[in-house]
Amino acid sequence: DAGVIQSPRHEVTEMGQEVTLRCKPISGHNSLFWYRQTMMRGLELLIYFNNNVPIDDSGMPEDRFSAKMPNASFSTLKIQPSEPRDSAVYFCASSLGEGSGSNQPQHFGDGTRLSIL
Amino acid sequence: AQSVTQLDSQVPVFEEAPVELRCNYSSSVSVYLFWYVQYPNQGLQLLLKYLSGSTLVKGINGFEAEFNKSQTSFHLRKPSVHISDTAEYFCAVSRPIPINTGTASKLTFGTGTRLQVTL
Repeated sequence: DAGVIQSPRHEVTEMGQEVTLRCKPISGHNSLFWYRQTMMRGLELLIYFNNNVPIDDSGMPEDRFSAKMPNASFSTLKIQPSEPRDSAVYFCASSLGEGSGSNQPQHFGDGTRLSIL
Repeated sequence: AQSVTQLDSQVPVFEEAPVELRCNYSSSVSVYLFWYVQYPNQGLQLLLKYLSGSTLVKGINGFEAEFNKSQTSFHLRKPSVHISDTAEYFCAVSRPIPINTGTASKLTFGTGTRLQVTL
């Protein structure tokens, strides 16, 4: 079975540009998570969805960040306008959420390494 | 709210030596505990998890962890490490949520421990 698929794997862009990161969760998983990883702050949860509905977006750093999940097989994380401090590795993860409490592990994609110049 | 502390940012060890990676958590309620491993340029992979029952949990790649409620710890151990175990290891905690509530598990991660295995 395919795991969580993220694209692109690497993105380099200039400050002020719009950046869109994409994620395809594991088929059948109904919870999706976006994380950001940096050396300074470690792994931070940005937002998570359950059945395509955003449940908790308290980790989203500011209004420049937005996330959508239009259907069960696709999610995007958008940064507009991007800034150098947004440079990080962004991970998407999925799990079985509903009906299984919180004991189901999260499955991570390989991440998108984002560099804002 | 819960939190996770991994006191050791780096642990150097020789191949075939035993290793222990420390994890302490803080929570006012019962928790589920996880260890994840991250190899270079990859996402996190689940090593093992503690939900309930036996306090000694065995995972993949020969790793095991012991849940100690009185010390609020969940240390990861391996009796003999291999070069291929070189990676970043993350301890994580989540709060049990009643089933059929429609909510998802939210993990709180520690800052990670870099295990460096050398010959």
